[in-house]
Amino acid sequence: GENVEQHPSTLSVQEGDSAVIKCTYSDSASNYFPWYKQELGKRPQLIIDIRSNVGEKKDQRIAVTLNKTAKHFSLHITETQPEDSAVYFCAAKTGGFKTIFGAGTRLFVKA
Amino acid sequence: GAVVSQHPSRVICKSGTSVKIECRSLDFQATTMFWYRQFPKQSLMLMATSNEGSKATYEQGVEKDKFLINHASLTLSTLTVTSAHPEDSSFYICSAEGRGGTDTQYFGPGTRLTVL
Repeated sequence: GENVEQHPSTLSVQEGDSAVIKCTYSDSASNYFPWYKQELGKRPQLIIDIRSNVGEKKDQRIAVTLNKTAKHFSLHITETQPEDSAVYFCAAKTGGFKTIFGAGTRLFVKA
Repeated sequence: GAVVSQHPSRVICKSGTSVKIECRSLDFQATTMFWYRQFPKQSLMLMATSNEGSKATYEQGVEKDKFLINHASLTLSTLTVTSAHPEDSSFYICSAEGRGGTDTQYFGPGTRLTVL
C-alpha cells in the first residue's frame, strides 16, 4: 500500500550546524509534499511544502528538495537554533487524495 | 488565516461513557476534515476522512460504530468516542484541508482524552 518512510528517527546537532531529514514515498502519483513541525503537546504546523512540478523550494533557513524519479524528498535546515528542536513530519499526498505521514524525526539542537 | 480550533483540549471520563470532540475551521470553509490519533512519540494515524454532508470514510481497523463522525457543515466536524475504554486514551487531532482545494491540511490543537 501507500507508504512514506522517514529517516532518521532521531537527529541531534550542534547549534549553527545544518540538519537534513529524508523521506521516500511509494505512490508515484503523489504530487504534493508538505513538511510539518510539531512541538511537544502542540499541533503540527506547516513549515514548507513542495509540489511535484518543482525540484527545490527555499524559505529563509529551510529548504526542501524533491527527486520525483527516485521518489524521495528532503528537508534541509541551516544554521539551526535551539527553537528548531521539535518533531518533524514529512508527508505525501497520493493520487487517491489521501495524505500519508512519515513516522517523524525528533530533532534536538544543542546550544 | 486557516485557523482550526478543537474543543475540548482535555477531557477525562469514566469507562463506558461517550465523549464528543468538535473541530471547527474558523476562517475558511473546509469541505474535507480529517481525524487522527497520535500515540506518545509516534506519528499521526489517520482514523477517518470526513466530507461535508456525506458519510465519513474510515481507515482499515478503525471501528466506525465506536468512533462516530459527523460533518454537518463546512466549518464543523465532530468525533464521538462511544463507550470509551482506557485503551481509547490518546491524543486526537483533527485537520481541515486548505481553502480552494490547495491540498494543505491545517491542524487543530488536539484533544487529550483520558479514560479512567
